[in-house]
Amino acid sequence: KQEVTQIPAALSVPEGENLVLNCSFTDSAIYNLQWFRQDPGKGLTSLLLIQSSQREQTSGRLNASLDKSSGRSTLYIAASQPGDSATYLCAVYSSASKIIFGSGTRLSIRP
Amino acid sequence: DAGITQSPRYKITETGRQVTLMCHQTWSHSYMFWYRQDLGHGLRLIYYSAAADITDKGEVPDGYVVSRSKTENFPLTLESATRSQTSVYFCASGGLAGVETQYFGPGTRLLVL
Repeated sequence: KQEVTQIPAALSVPEGENLVLNCSFTDSAIYNLQWFRQDPGKGLTSLLLIQSSQREQTSGRLNASLDKSSGRSTLYIAASQPGDSATYLCAVYSSASKIIFGSGTRLSIRP
Repeated sequence: DAGITQSPRYKITETGRQVTLMCHQTWSHSYMFWYRQDLGHGLRLIYYSAAADITDKGEVPDGYVVSRSKTENFPLTLESATRSQTSVYFCASGGLAGVETQYFGPGTRLLVL
């Protein structure tokens, strides 16, 4: 059974720092992985979608990597800003119905 | 406005009552999804639909019913609400799950007393 883990559960860093969020999964038979952002009381916003054949995706200050063989993905945020404060979730897709979310990392950027 | 909407945004009901949560999208996306989000469990897929009149179970379908007579609507019905169904429910739409981006609605907070 696929399990998705995100560590740490919470992270607080000063503004301007580069940071890495981690996502690990137990079954490498996935066809892709997606990172989302969730603001308090809101729905999820897609950040990056990585196909299983890809190693990384970039969007602005965000870079997500995928290593299927080791069951890991990282989300790199460069030059963090207070507006980046949110909960970040990764989701692993094994099929249309097999979508497993991690429990998220709650990120706080201190001004 | 274009997008994905959910109604109601907040709902309080009693055990045993039937409740229907509505979801509407204006993009004509093929796929639509219902998730629930609970502390300690994260987001879990309840049901999804690949097209009108095509629905399938997700991870936690028991106690829920869905239908999709039109591409743009995907209602979720709790036939006889239980306290364990107190949760935040999110609807999403997109292309093939995991191949194309999913777009989430703002959520419905449901409290079952």
